[in-house]
Formats: sequence, C-alpha cells, structure tokens
Amino acid sequence: GAVVSQHPSWVICKSGTSVKIECRSLDFQATTMFWYRQFPKQSLMLMATSNEGSKATYEQGVEKDKFLINHASLTLSTLTVTSAHPEDSSFYICSELAVSTDTQYFGPGTRLTVL
Amino acid sequence: SQKIEQNSEALNIQEGKTATLTCNYTNYSPAYLQWYRQDPGRGPVFLLLIRENEKEKRKERLKVTFDTTLKQSLFHITASQPADSATYLCALDITHASGGSYIPTFGRGTSLIVHP
Repeated sequence: GAVVSQHPSWVICKSGTSVKIECRSLDFQATTMFWYRQFPKQSLMLMATSNEGSKATYEQGVEKDKFLINHASLTLSTLTVTSAHPEDSSFYICSELAVSTDTQYFGPGTRLTVL
Repeated sequence: SQKIEQNSEALNIQEGKTATLTCNYTNYSPAYLQWYRQDPGRGPVFLLLIRENEKEKRKERLKVTFDTTLKQSLFHITASQPADSATYLCALDITHASGGSYIPTFGRGTSLIVHP
C-alpha cells in the first residue's frame, strides 16, 4: 500500500500561536488527501478534503479560516492551525485515497497539545 | 441521519480464541465497508474491504462478513495473538457533502485485548 508521512509527530505550543502540520505521500501521487481529527476514545472526524491545486472542501462545523489547508503539489498537503487554543488539542491525521481500490492510507498522525 | 455503531466495550479474549467484532449501521446503503486497525497514538491501517455484493471475504486469519439485510458486518480474527490487541474501526462510504467522491465515515472502534 501507499506510504504517507506526517511531520511533526507531536507538537506543544502556546495558546495563540499557529502550528503547521505536513502530510507527504512518499510513493504515490495523491490528487486528493483528507484531514481528520480524533479525540481520545472517539472516532475519526473528517475535517476537510484537500485537492491538489484547488481550495479545500471543509466539513460542516470546521472553520476554514482557523484550519488552513494547502495542497500545493501531488505529494504534499499542509494543515495550519491558526491562533491555536487548548480546545484544539487533538490527534490530527491525514490520509490519501487510492481511488482504484477505494482504500485510504493514513499517516502516523500528529499529536497537538496547546497550553 | 446516518449512524455507525461499534461496541464501545473492550473485547477481552484468550490467546488462540476467535475474536468477533460487530459493526452495525442505520440509514445507509453502502457500496462497501472497510475494516481498519488502529494502535494507540498511530494512524489507522487498512485491513479489508468488502463490497455490497460480497457476503464474505478472507485474508489470512481475518474474515469479514457483510449482511446488507441486517445492516451488519462481522469481523473475525482466528487464532488470536496478543499482537492483535488494538482498536478496530469499521468504515462505510458516504457521499461527500458537496456531492463529490465517496469518502469513508468511521465508527468509534472497538478495543480488542488478547491475553496470553
């Protein structure tokens, strides 16, 4: 299957700062990548669909001005959490969709802690 | 609204036994259903996909059934091992709100603990 990396694997930041998370497809050109958020013992919640070369599509209730997504190339999508607050602390995971097999390949996730 | 249910209680079994996990759904007519494994602090890993016209699919010690009448999928791990301990998520395709590609929606997952 495809290999997806995320960086950083964890980050601790102060309230009010911005944090950028990178998601790279290492062996696959991903036209579409997804960003999820997962709280402890909860299911994965889709935040947005990131399309290469166009604006991301956000799910209902996700603030696009707070969670900035950029998909500048077929192998890189970034999620920037702007003006982070403690309630943004969560596990953020990206994935890419292998359309031919309807399968998602996930990155290892990024643990964000906002103090 | 659509709903995916997985048993929130952890499943504890002895090594060597068969683990059976359940995924029920309502208000869906999915084209396929998927099972993923997630270890603590890690992203999910794809295990199996079963389509609506398939009753059963196997992969090594894993077996998945899909009953579209009952709206249920069962996930079996035979000859379970302590290394199988993880959270198992089921996911169903759902049309994106914008009418775009089908994107899996995940259940909350069931934790499996295999005791040596």
